[in-house]
Amino acid sequence: TQLLEQSPQFLSIQEGENLTVYCNSSSVFSSLQWYRQEPGEGPVLLVTVVTGGEVKKLKRLTFQFGDARKDSSLHITAAQPGDTGLYLCAGEAGGTSYGKLTFGQGTILTVHP
Amino acid sequence: SAVISQKPSRDICQRGTSLTIQCQVDSQVTMMFWYRQQPGQSLTLIATANQGSEATYESGFVIDKFPISRPNLTFSTLTVSNMSPEDSSIYLCSVESFISSGGNEQFFGPGTRLTVL
Repeated sequence: TQLLEQSPQFLSIQEGENLTVYCNSSSVFSSLQWYRQEPGEGPVLLVTVVTGGEVKKLKRLTFQFGDARKDSSLHITAAQPGDTGLYLCAGEAGGTSYGKLTFGQGTILTVHP
Repeated sequence: SAVISQKPSRDICQRGTSLTIQCQVDSQVTMMFWYRQQPGQSLTLIATANQGSEATYESGFVIDKFPISRPNLTFSTLTVSNMSPEDSSIYLCSVESFISSGGNEQFFGPGTRLTVL
């Protein structure tokens, strides 16, 4: 069974601060996805990373996939109250597990104005 | 991307009863997935539903408790049977689409919030 350890579980910061969320595993993933979920809604895909060492940027969000494809990070620069929400990483093992996602525990981010 | 709708959006049920959740997609997809998200927790995959074959269940989930139908490429149902308060969760369906650079993207429905009394 593949596990994804996501940290921190809770993050409460002031507007303008930077933050990083980490997802780590002892297993290799063929791809890793980051989602954001707001109350009463399903997760919304932010990005998919597939290549070891890959870095993708989405405005103030920077996503990195580890060289060994076992870990990933999400960095938010100059956080804003609108960034508040639950952030989830999810890995896909590929092969016979194609399409099946293993989710991290989630990070609840609160950005105070 | 895919647009996914679920019915009902929420329900309050008595223990011992069953609830069927519907998932409708605006395009034809091969694989649909059902997840459970317990209060304050992350998502756990229940099963994979492919059209024309039996659903594949993950460890800890069985067909008698969570029967799934997949009558066509745009629709699936998940039934939560003989419910207990421990089944109180958000149930989400998702579909996948391929991306050219490899891997896949999954899109989720809005979820069905189930409360069992």
